[in-house]
Amino acid sequence: GQNIDQPTEMTATEGAIVQINCTYQTSGFNGLFWYQQHAGEAPTFLSYNVLDGLEEKGRFSSFLSRSKGYSYLLLKELQMKDSASYLCAVLDSNYQLIWGAGTKLIIKP
Amino acid sequence: DAMVIQNPRYQVTQFGKPVTLSCSQTLNHNVMYWYQQKSSQAPKLLFHYYDKDFNNEADTPDNFQSRRPNTSFCFLDIRSPGLGDAAMYLCATSTIGQNNQPQHFGDGTRLSIL
Repeated sequence: GQNIDQPTEMTATEGAIVQINCTYQTSGFNGLFWYQQHAGEAPTFLSYNVLDGLEEKGRFSSFLSRSKGYSYLLLKELQMKDSASYLCAVLDSNYQLIWGAGTKLIIKP
Repeated sequence: DAMVIQNPRYQVTQFGKPVTLSCSQTLNHNVMYWYQQKSSQAPKLLFHYYDKDFNNEADTPDNFQSRRPNTSFCFLDIRSPGLGDAAMYLCATSTIGQNNQPQHFGDGTRLSIL
């Protein structure tokens, strides 16, 4: 079966750095996406990785290792508005998105 | 400059009373998706259209139907909503086959069942 694992909840302090991990087992791989979702709102696209390595986009970076079936999202200089759920999703061989359940990130002052 | 538009944002219906949710897009994407998402869970794919080709997920209940009359519009019909159908319904679009673009989501419709 296909599976995406990420921690259910994480807590971090404003101004700090946090890393959210995602491991996956899917039938095929056409890329990995990270989405941010605030409570009661739709997911918004953050990043896309298809090759191994680090993609940096401002305060957010995403890393991929295809051989390990592993990705992480790194958030720097945390702000209170970063409190949200972060969803990892893999595009499988049928171009279907397989979603993780999301990591709820709580930012404390 | 909203690109994927869902109406209404909030929908309340009675148990068993049919309801239709709508989605439109200005992106000219060839794929449209309907997801159901319950609190603290991953979005669950109900259907998707690749152009006019309809794809139903194996575990989508028969109670859920969909229509895509043209490229821009897609509808989700729930024929006899039950209490378990209360959820956020998300419409998304993408251009599969072109550099694997991310799915773009509408704001969602939160459905409540009385």
